[in-house]
Amino acid sequence: DARVTQTPRHKVTEMGQEVTMRCQPILGHNTVFWYRQTMMQGLELLAYFRNRAPLDDSGMPKDRFSAEMPDATLATLKIQPSEPRDSAVYFCASGSGQGTDTQYFGPGTRLTVL
Amino acid sequence: GENVEQHPSTLSVQEGDSAVIKCTYSDSASNYFPWYKQELGKRPQLIIDIRSNVGEKKDQRIAVTLNKTAKHFSLHITETQPEDSAVYFCAASKGTSYGKLTFGQGTILTVHP
Repeated sequence: DARVTQTPRHKVTEMGQEVTMRCQPILGHNTVFWYRQTMMQGLELLAYFRNRAPLDDSGMPKDRFSAEMPDATLATLKIQPSEPRDSAVYFCASGSGQGTDTQYFGPGTRLTVL
Repeated sequence: GENVEQHPSTLSVQEGDSAVIKCTYSDSASNYFPWYKQELGKRPQLIIDIRSNVGEKKDQRIAVTLNKTAKHFSLHITETQPEDSAVYFCAASKGTSYGKLTFGQGTILTVHP
């Protein structure tokens, strides 16, 4: 049963520190999505990639957030410097890249910035 | 861009009753409509989806209907059980978007025993 994996599952850090979240998409999936979930904003799309190339990162605060895919099995989301308002659950999802195919979510990283 | 509106935001039913959640979308080019269930502290998981060439799809106690003319789709859960309690999200995408989903705001469903 192939699944998207994410690390770490929980992260507590202090304001100003760098945070890196990692995602391993399902093998063979060529599209990766990063979402942020808060109680107030629901599921927000931050960025997504196809074949490792960024397609859209308009949902991401550019001054502090960056997303990359160093290779087909790893996607990273970095926040530098982190702020308390970044506290949320960050989900990665992967899909086959076809417009009508399913997206599968990872377990999420719960980030708390003090 | 696409906009998806979901109603109601909260829904409370008695065990055994039916529950209906409705979504409307704005982009007539959207052709894929999945529904996700998210239990507390867990990841969103796909429970059912429908493509624009189909008007209705059923899987045991859950069903989804699509009205392309009116640009709305609905999730129907029959014979609800306490384990159906969760947040439900509808979403929409189109074939040109490489699977990018636009999500509704979510519905908190509570099923009382």
